[in-house]
Amino acid sequence: DAGITQSPRHKVTETGTPVTLRCHQTENHRYMYWYRQDPGHGLRLIHYSYGVKDTDKGEVSDGYSVSRSKTEDFLLTLESATSSQTSVYFCAISEAGERRQETQYFGPGTRLLVL
Amino acid sequence: DQQVKQNSPSLSVQEGRISILNCDYTNSMFDYFLWYKKYPAEGPTFLISISSIKDKNEDGRFTVFLNKSAKHLSLHIVPSQPGDSAVYFCAASLGTGNQFYFGTGTSLTVIP
Repeated sequence: DAGITQSPRHKVTETGTPVTLRCHQTENHRYMYWYRQDPGHGLRLIHYSYGVKDTDKGEVSDGYSVSRSKTEDFLLTLESATSSQTSVYFCAISEAGERRQETQYFGPGTRLLVL
Repeated sequence: DQQVKQNSPSLSVQEGRISILNCDYTNSMFDYFLWYKKYPAEGPTFLISISSIKDKNEDGRFTVFLNKSAKHLSLHIVPSQPGDSAVYFCAASLGTGNQFYFGTGTSLTVIP
């Protein structure tokens, strides 16, 4: 299994509070991703990173920001949490080489409840 | 707008029989397709993939078929086992930036 951990694994917070989720990898992979999983929507990309300090938006980036100051860590921040951000959040990593087509490996997920 | 669709939310199959999971996509520029399997309270795990230059890829009990003209791919599991019971997601990639687009998932139940 790829060395990916997420913290916290579960969090309950109140509307309007800031929340930061952490993804840590030990694989030294270049690419890191944040997804959210919701019923009826599958997995949707929030933000991704293609290197230290290099990030870009996914299809559902509103209300989220990310930072990557080290290869191994990718942080997802909800500046002011809303109930619509209640979800399960997954981090993923991949190493896109010359072939570009590389598999993404997922972390165990963080279950976030915003009250 | 969902670019990758799995129209069957659930599927039940008897142990030993074939399971066929289907996936449709709308973007003809997708060039790489994957299937992931997900157990409750765990992250998705990679199962099998196929490049758009192929129409079939096989790995043990799992075979993925790609029909580019119909923009359709399917996953065949033969024979199905109770441990295969999980949610299966198909995903597609444009290659650039390695962004994946996922379907909504199909929950497979293999009945012993």
